[in-house]
Amino acid sequence: QSVLTQPPSASGTPGQKVTISCSGSTSNIGSNAVTWYQRLPGTAPKLLIYNNNQRPSGVPDRFSGSKSGTSASLAISGLQSEDETDYYCAAWDGSLSGWLFGGGTKLTVL
Amino acid sequence: QVQLQQSGPGLVKPSQTLSLTCAISGDSVSSNSAAWNWIRQSPSRGLEWLGRTYYRSKWYSDYAVSVKSRITINRDTFKNQFSLQLNSVTPEDTAVYYCVRSLGHFDYWGQGTLVTVSS
Repeated sequence: QSVLTQPPSASGTPGQKVTISCSGSTSNIGSNAVTWYQRLPGTAPKLLIYNNNQRPSGVPDRFSGSKSGTSASLAISGLQSEDETDYYCAAWDGSLSGWLFGGGTKLTVL
Repeated sequence: QVQLQQSGPGLVKPSQTLSLTCAISGDSVSSNSAAWNWIRQSPSRGLEWLGRTYYRSKWYSDYAVSVKSRITINRDTFKNQFSLQLNSVTPEDTAVYYCVRSLGHFDYWGQGTLVTVSS
């Protein structure tokens, strides 16, 4: 059972904007940066967002991140069929002295 | 460009030790800014961080509570690599294992190794 809580699924139509949430606590999201990863089948997770809202080079600006208190969100605008895959949030937990991942959200593009 | 190349067996018997190695190119295991992690993924447990080793004037290691009694992460500075040992494995440890560099976030990942625990 993940300490960071994500909805198991999300969906949208092409061109739409979708938001995926990630809920934690004061010891993780509340006091540390949140990162987001995209995992395509059969491949290693790819860094999408770091430091809550920063995009690595090469990640389209359709992807954006935000954080407020003990929750964070990943927004994907201008949804495309290639965005249909799994998304994970992660944050360092100071109480556990370890990294935590969310359970993952499967995004379906209808 | 950082590259991480994993090696190790894909099949381990129950109660035995899982051992994987990660060779680093493009960075140093003794870096004063990076940490070197092991993460696994399984359908039942999702993504799970197992532990890390890093150098900040001396060596440190952190381990996940769930595996703390069974895990060791070592490093070999001469070969520029780090390794994972997980003892007393059970079928629950069946997963794809990744070695990963972190600089505050996980940026470079190894290719992944599917390790199956079965007799």
